[in-house]
Amino acid sequence: EVQLVESGGGLVQPGGSLKLSCAASGFTFSGSAMHWVRQASGKGLEWVGRIRSKANSYATAYAASVKGRFTISRDDSKNTAYLQMNSLKTEDTAVYYCTRSPGGDMDVWGKGTTVTVSS
Amino acid sequence: QSVLTQPPSVSAAPGQKVTISCSGSSSNIGNNYVSWYQQLPGTAPKLLIYENNKRPSGIPDRFSGSKSGTSATLGITGLQTGDEADYYCGTWDSSLRVFGGGTKLTVL
Repeated sequence: EVQLVESGGGLVQPGGSLKLSCAASGFTFSGSAMHWVRQASGKGLEWVGRIRSKANSYATAYAASVKGRFTISRDDSKNTAYLQMNSLKTEDTAVYYCTRSPGGDMDVWGKGTTVTVSS
Repeated sequence: QSVLTQPPSVSAAPGQKVTISCSGSSSNIGNNYVSWYQQLPGTAPKLLIYENNKRPSGIPDRFSGSKSGTSATLGITGLQTGDEADYYCGTWDSSLRVFGGGTKLTVL
């Protein structure tokens, strides 16, 4: 079964840092681009960024709202993607989903992990 | 303010048909495939339609997608109470992923 499991969410103060993990199983992780998408409570989906596969030079791209603060990485030996979040703001409070796109579409999503930025 | 525009809500009776629109521009929908996602209350989004009109395995043919120019449409026939959810369109814009603001479907 194809599965993505996010972890690492929690409460952090404004200006702080947090690192999320996304553990993948049931498919060839190394061949798939991985994305992070977030959703604030009662709001819509917001794409955070993605990392491509080794074949595509592990290229990353980010939404303007997080560029320069968030970094996506991956460890293919551990079948895990990461989202390093620095200089966190209250508006970063959301459920963070990990999703894969082996082709062009995000076809499998994790259940999400909650990040709360508050003093 | 989302790059893609969807109606905030739509409603219809069980058994009826409903359509949800998604409007964009030449930089996104006009030159890229459109996907649709269903998000049931309290759950993660689920891929419903990809490449404008294709259904992943397990998605019933009551769900359909189409695209024309810079707009796309999701159609749902034979509405069921279990279809009550938020629906999002998504596509690419200058290599960045963009979503519509979401449409809440109420099955009356």
